[in-house]
Amino acid sequence: KNQVEQSPQSLIILEGKNCTLQCNYTVSPFSNLRWYKQDTGRGPVSLTIMTFSENTKSNGRYTATLDADTKQSSLHITASQLSDSASYICVVILRTNTGGFKTIFGAGTRLFVKA
Amino acid sequence: GAGVSQSPSNKVTEKGKDVELRCDPISGHTALYWYRQRLGQGLEFLIYFQGNSAPDKSGLPSDRFSAERTGESVSTLTIQRTQQEDSAVYLCASSIRTSGLYNEQFFGPGTRLTVL
Repeated sequence: KNQVEQSPQSLIILEGKNCTLQCNYTVSPFSNLRWYKQDTGRGPVSLTIMTFSENTKSNGRYTATLDADTKQSSLHITASQLSDSASYICVVILRTNTGGFKTIFGAGTRLFVKA
Repeated sequence: GAGVSQSPSNKVTEKGKDVELRCDPISGHTALYWYRQRLGQGLEFLIYFQGNSAPDKSGLPSDRFSAERTGESVSTLTIQRTQQEDSAVYLCASSIRTSGLYNEQFFGPGTRLTVL
């Protein structure tokens, strides 16, 4: 069954600290993996996208890693800011047998950054 | 350019009433998606439109839910005889269909539906 599991469910950190969010997936055949940030009351916004051959991708203070062998991804946030408080959603896209794409969403990790 | 817009932003209705939610995708985006997000939970796929192809309705939870899209423009999601469990944020997203891998979805702000 195609699934995306994220951990932890929620996380509280102090401003300025680093943190790492995890994503494990059982999606096949894999096409690409994305991390989205969803602020409260807003729609998700894409942070990074990685294909099978990419191991790491950075976007400012956000760095995503991908291990396609173990089917794991992580999102590392450096020097956290209060504005990083949001839900972070791992999304895996698979290829369908008709040549299209299907999107599988993780439940998200809720990050709270405190002053 | 403008992003995905949705209306209304908030909708409060009584149990048993019908509601219509609207989504305006980004101009030129051929694919349009509807998702439901219950409080504190992940996104739940509802329906997907791609150009003039038959929509993928596999995520619709019951026959009370339906959606339409005219060409590659506006879409409406209709929920008939609303129930309290329909209370959620309904998100719309659009994407450019490409032959490659990068059909990134751009999301609207959502419509928060509350069924009393």
